[in-house]
Amino acid sequence: EIVLTQSPGTLSLSPGERATLSCRASQSMSSTHLAWYQQRPGQAPRLLIYGASSRATGIPDRFSGSGSGTDFTLTISRLEPEDFALYYCQQYYSSSWTFGQGTKVEIK
Amino acid sequence: QGQLQLSGPGLLKPSQTLSLTCAISGESVSSEGASWFWIRQSPSRGLEWLGRTYYRSKWYNDYAVSVKSRITVNPDTSKNQFSLQLNFVTPEDTALYYCARGNYHFDYWGQGTLVTVSS
Repeated sequence: EIVLTQSPGTLSLSPGERATLSCRASQSMSSTHLAWYQQRPGQAPRLLIYGASSRATGIPDRFSGSGSGTDFTLTISRLEPEDFALYYCQQYYSSSWTFGQGTKVEIK
Repeated sequence: QGQLQLSGPGLLKPSQTLSLTCAISGESVSSEGASWFWIRQSPSRGLEWLGRTYYRSKWYNDYAVSVKSRITVNPDTSKNQFSLQLNFVTPEDTALYYCARGNYHFDYWGQGTLVTVSS
């Protein structure tokens, strides 16, 4: 099983600032199988990025994903008020899906 | 994009069976382009994939190792839905349960339902 470790646990930023979230895999993996989700309080996770860098339908272009091998990054170029939330990375490998423990982006 | 509507009891006693149903609208459960998942979320275990069912000329299932001995996921083509059955629940199964559609990733999710296991 591939373990995903997200950092930092909490990111304290102001609206308009840039957010950089990290997801590290315990072994090298296909970037095709790495996704990012946003979860707001009381809501189900929402797909943001799949295939490490492809935005899901309706996702604003301030969200971008990058990375390969074991290191992946989600970047929010300029934080909007609605972007303060929890973010999770997720991977697929050999009929098994796992999630990172999450990064909370909070208002500073 | 379709929608998923989750239903099922929210309170169980230890050793009982958890049964949830996810009704699909906007797509067929038999679609060969999709898989149908159960995922749960708890403070102690985070987001945890449990199982899936999918149709590729015939029906298949995959289950997480952590629940493999206790779980069944079944499609119901007559009602266009799929179900989760988790046997012999314990308080550790207390979580927010979601159904989702996807393949390598999860395109969209149902609203989630809280299941509490307590004596």
